[in-house]
Amino acid sequence: DAKTTQPNSMESNEEEPVHLPCNHSTISGTDYIHWYRQLPSQGPEYVIHGLTSNVNNRMASLAIAEDRKSSTLILHRATLRDAAVYYCILQGGPGGGADGLTFGKGTHLIIQP
Amino acid sequence: KAGVTQTPRYLIKTRGQQVTLSCSPISGHRSVSWYQQTPGQGLQFLFEYFSETQRNKGNFPGRFSGRQFSNSRSEMNVSTLELGDSALYLCASSLAGAANEKLFFGSGTQLSVL
Repeated sequence: DAKTTQPNSMESNEEEPVHLPCNHSTISGTDYIHWYRQLPSQGPEYVIHGLTSNVNNRMASLAIAEDRKSSTLILHRATLRDAAVYYCILQGGPGGGADGLTFGKGTHLIIQP
Repeated sequence: KAGVTQTPRYLIKTRGQQVTLSCSPISGHRSVSWYQQTPGQGLQFLFEYFSETQRNKGNFPGRFSGRQFSNSRSEMNVSTLELGDSALYLCASSLAGAANEKLFFGSGTQLSVL
């Protein structure tokens, strides 16, 4: 069973902010929320992760709900190079935790010039 | 520092054959995990190895197996190939597979079963 739920696709305009939602209502206290993205013909690449507090790095920001049942990846100013499939996953415990690492199908982000 | 290396990049096999894929993790990384990616099912977890031991396994039949060597390199094997095994197989490495560690992925092996 999927541990996270994401919209199949989203569309945004270049140079505008993008908010990618993820629901994870069954998250456990030790699960970290990770985001990865995959460009065509490449393996996924790490974007950002967090546990409880909001996180910022050079690529994006991660906003985590107070009850941790949802999170939002924020791309502050989307470029054409940000067009990719974005995966929200929960990593818990060694080797991914009890259920392993479930990626699902992610959100296909389309950026319009 | 070299990234995660997967070989071969492309592979064509016929039904009933077996195949072995290789993954060399980033130097110093001891956790290696494997994934199958298909258009219909997305990215699915196969298994994870740490220090030559399988710690976790996804919901795949016993035809899918793997191992890890003392240098942390890993191989996965698929026996009695079926058409539905055609997919991109990805491996990822991390220091110890802990919850707060980043995963580093290879570019994958594209397997086509005819």
